Amino acid sequence: GESVGLHLPTLSVQEGDNSIINCAYSNSASDYFIWYKQESGKGPQFIIDIRSNMDKRQGQRVTVLLNKTVKHLSLQIAATQPGDSAVYFCAETGTASKLTFGTGTRLQVTL
Amino acid sequence: EAQVTQNPRYLITVTGKKLTVTCSQNMNHEYMSWYRQDPGLGLRQIYYSMNVEVTDKGDVPEGYKVSRKEKRNFPLILESPSPNQTSLYFCATKNDRAGNTIYFGEGSWLTVV
Repeated sequence: GESVGLHLPTLSVQEGDNSIINCAYSNSASDYFIWYKQESGKGPQFIIDIRSNMDKRQGQRVTVLLNKTVKHLSLQIAATQPGDSAVYFCAETGTASKLTFGTGTRLQVTL
Repeated sequence: EAQVTQNPRYLITVTGKKLTVTCSQNMNHEYMSWYRQDPGLGLRQIYYSMNVEVTDKGDVPEGYKVSRKEKRNFPLILESPSPNQTSLYFCATKNDRAGNTIYFGEGSWLTVV
């Protein structure tokens, strides 16, 4: 079946460095991708999204890159801060109703 | 302030005792959904509702029921809970007219013993 997966379960990054979290998806019909951040004890929070007609989208300190050829999505966080420590999920959808999530990557920021 | 409110936040119950997890949103969104989150499995959709009186199964609907009698509320019902329904549950809502961004509640920790 269709799936969305993450390459690494845990990523450890030193404060101030850049973080890159990767995600692979298998549904070639997916046209919308979202990154969520989930802090301990809280629900997932929207970070940034990208549509399939784009390769790159930038927000504040975050950039999402989409490579449709290899079905790969990445989230880059610049100058990682302790407050960025969380679990990050990618999600994809090809319809209005179904959002498929990856299993998550835990980002640990070390001082 | 936009809110998705779930109750209870934490519950320990026994096998077979019916329970309901309520979800309420104040954003007048038509779309609402329930997810469960389990280690190693991520977030999986249980049920969703596109509008009042319209509900559909997600990926893991077995053992759950939902109802959508009014736009703001979307309760999740476990008629006869079993230990494999021990999980973290999230209610979510989305404004279809403003894109696909989904807003999540704070989560409900449910333990069935």
